[in-house]
Amino acid sequence: QQQVKQSPQSLIVQKGGISIINCAYENTAFDYFPWYQQFPGKGPALLIAIRPDVSEKKEGRFTISFNKSAKQFSLHIMDSQPGDSATYFCAASMNSGYSTLTFGKGTMLLVSP
Amino acid sequence: DTEVTQTPKHLVMGMTNKKSLKCEQHMGHRAMYWYKQKAKKPPELMFVYSYEKLSINESVPSRFSPECPNSSLLNLHLHALQPEDSALYLCASSQNPSASSYNEQFFGPGTRLTVL
Repeated sequence: QQQVKQSPQSLIVQKGGISIINCAYENTAFDYFPWYQQFPGKGPALLIAIRPDVSEKKEGRFTISFNKSAKQFSLHIMDSQPGDSATYFCAASMNSGYSTLTFGKGTMLLVSP
Repeated sequence: DTEVTQTPKHLVMGMTNKKSLKCEQHMGHRAMYWYKQKAKKPPELMFVYSYEKLSINESVPSRFSPECPNSSLLNLHLHALQPEDSALYLCASSQNPSASSYNEQFFGPGTRLTVL
């Protein structure tokens, strides 16, 4: 019930291509879905986040698509750049209790030049 | 200032040592968190402080002892650690500990801990 399933585990995309990472959840009490980007040796940085009242959110080259009925959400990176090479974690947080994050297992993205 | 700072960046300690990790934020956030992250794994929640009080302890061994001296500072005291405790220790903060608020968590850069 608490899990967030993330796929793929790793992804190689050519420069200029679209990177797509998918996450699925079971717990309908989740109501906040952030994506974090982490470079080696650094802490995770919030990239973009969405709440279930919208189906899509776009910030620059990064877009979250959210499908409430399917309990799935995805991150799209348009015009992927070598500097986007990092590990991406999806996460979810519930609408009650304390604000804790349940993370997916992560996706290592490599954007080839 | 939207930064969470952590010191030291790297720490090597023996199993009999006592050391402390420090975390600081000046965003006025009232929730602070400690996470442990192993290589190629997501962060694992250890502790949550809400208004300087320990709210969540995720069954962490007593060799890890958190402390929140004030609303800006968070410490993690380490004693008699094991080699398997080697990891990246991350601190994070959020504006409000309540899940009903906007839940954005800001992470620090982490302390890379090696236990020999």
